[in-house]
Amino acid sequence: DQQVKQNSPSLSVQEGRISILNCDYTNSMFDYFLWYKKYPAEGPTFLISISSIKDKNEDGRFTVFLNKSAKHLSLHIVPSQPGDSAVYFCAASADKLIFGTGTRLQVFP
Amino acid sequence: NAGVTQTPKFQVLKTGQSMTLQCAQDMNHEYMSWYRQDPGMGLRLIHYSVGAGITDQGEVPNGYNVSRSTTEDFPLRLLSAAPSQTSVYFCASSSSGSRRYIQYFGAGTRLSVL
Repeated sequence: DQQVKQNSPSLSVQEGRISILNCDYTNSMFDYFLWYKKYPAEGPTFLISISSIKDKNEDGRFTVFLNKSAKHLSLHIVPSQPGDSAVYFCAASADKLIFGTGTRLQVFP
Repeated sequence: NAGVTQTPKFQVLKTGQSMTLQCAQDMNHEYMSWYRQDPGMGLRLIHYSVGAGITDQGEVPNGYNVSRSTTEDFPLRLLSAAPSQTSVYFCASSSSGSRRYIQYFGAGTRLSVL
C-alpha cells in the first residue's frame, strides 16, 4: 500500500524550461512534505519542504505547491538546468518519513 | 566536515552470512535511520532511533537488527543474509524538533547477497 506515489518514473525537459514533478498521497494525517534530490552513487539531499498549513513555498528556482484537498504535491523548477538532472523523491510525514518511488529528471541542452 | 559516514561502500555476501553495516554521524543529531532503496520501491524505512538507547521498527524491519549505544553510531546488522536483502542501504540522521524530517544521508552501501 503505497501512501506516497510518484506516478511518472521519468521526465525529460529542455534547459531553460520549467520542470514539474508530481506526487500524490493518501494519508490525510501527513503534516509535513519534503523533496529530496539524488545523484548517482550519492545519498539523497534535502531540497525543499512545506508544512501542511501552507500551500506554497519557494526557494530560488524551486517552488513546492501543496493541494490538500486533492492530496497532491508538486515541485516546480524554473528555469531547469543540466545540473538538475537527478532522481527526485517526494516524502511525507505524520510520524515517520514515507518516500515516494522517485522521478528521474533529465534536463537536456 | 564528514556528516554521515557509511562503511563499507560495497559488500558481497553469501546466503546465510551475517554482517554489520556501519553508520556514524558527527553532527550530534538525535535521530538516525536506516533505509533501503530498491528499484521501483523508493526508500523504505528499516529501523530508526530517536536517541541513544532507543530504537524502533520501520516499514521493513524483518531480518535486521539495530542498536544505538552512542549518539554518533547506529549500526545495522544482517543476521542471516538472504538474496531478498540485495539492495542499496542508506543511513540518515536529523536533529530534533521541527527539523527532524530534514534528514542528512550517507553515500550508501551497495549490498549483494548471492
